[in-house]
Amino acid sequence: TQLLEQSPQFLSIQEGENLTVYCNSSSVFSSLQWYRQEPGEGPVLLVTVVTGGEVKKLKRLTFQFGDARKDSSLHITAAQPGDTGLYLCRPGNQFYFGTGTSLTVIP
Amino acid sequence: DAGITQSPRHKVTETGTPVTLRCHQTENHRYMYWYRQDPGHGLRLIHYSYGVKDTDKGEVSDGYSVSRSKTEDFLLTLESATSSQTSVYFCAISVEREGEQYFGPGTRLTVT
Repeated sequence: TQLLEQSPQFLSIQEGENLTVYCNSSSVFSSLQWYRQEPGEGPVLLVTVVTGGEVKKLKRLTFQFGDARKDSSLHITAAQPGDTGLYLCRPGNQFYFGTGTSLTVIP
Repeated sequence: DAGITQSPRHKVTETGTPVTLRCHQTENHRYMYWYRQDPGHGLRLIHYSYGVKDTDKGEVSDGYSVSRSKTEDFLLTLESATSSQTSVYFCAISVEREGEQYFGPGTRLTVT
């Protein structure tokens, strides 16, 4: 049973715009991982957040773990076509993934 | 990139035939996983392995079996393929059970 809700499910934006996607649950997690999956490839790990309230930055991507460790967000600044893909979150101590947010960045 | 390969990368087979997919790693990671990915369902765990000859079922294990006779190889077998098993199959590896997973390139299986 998947307990992770990701929103929005689909997102299409113009190059240069900012966006935020969310990963929400009613459960508390010890850690949360974010992956990006490009079309035709396997998911690739972007980051792991561990501490409640933690913020991690990866170039134009900012990841935040909620204070209660039940939710997380990913903010992309000035999106580029290379950011296109499926963004997945996964609790570190579970085998399931969220259903993902499919992002398309239009040049 | 983690050394994970999957074979074949594409396969078309008929209903009722047996199919075996192979995952090979060069990282010597203890944990190996098989997932399927379908539109509307995301990634779902089929089986996983926590060592040679040690395997366990995942969320969608019915109709699938696995074997791991060597650390580097994890095989997924569909004993009698059905159309509902048409999917993209991903293998993944990790050092720890709770650890970050590294995925292979996927196998696209079509059962006609």
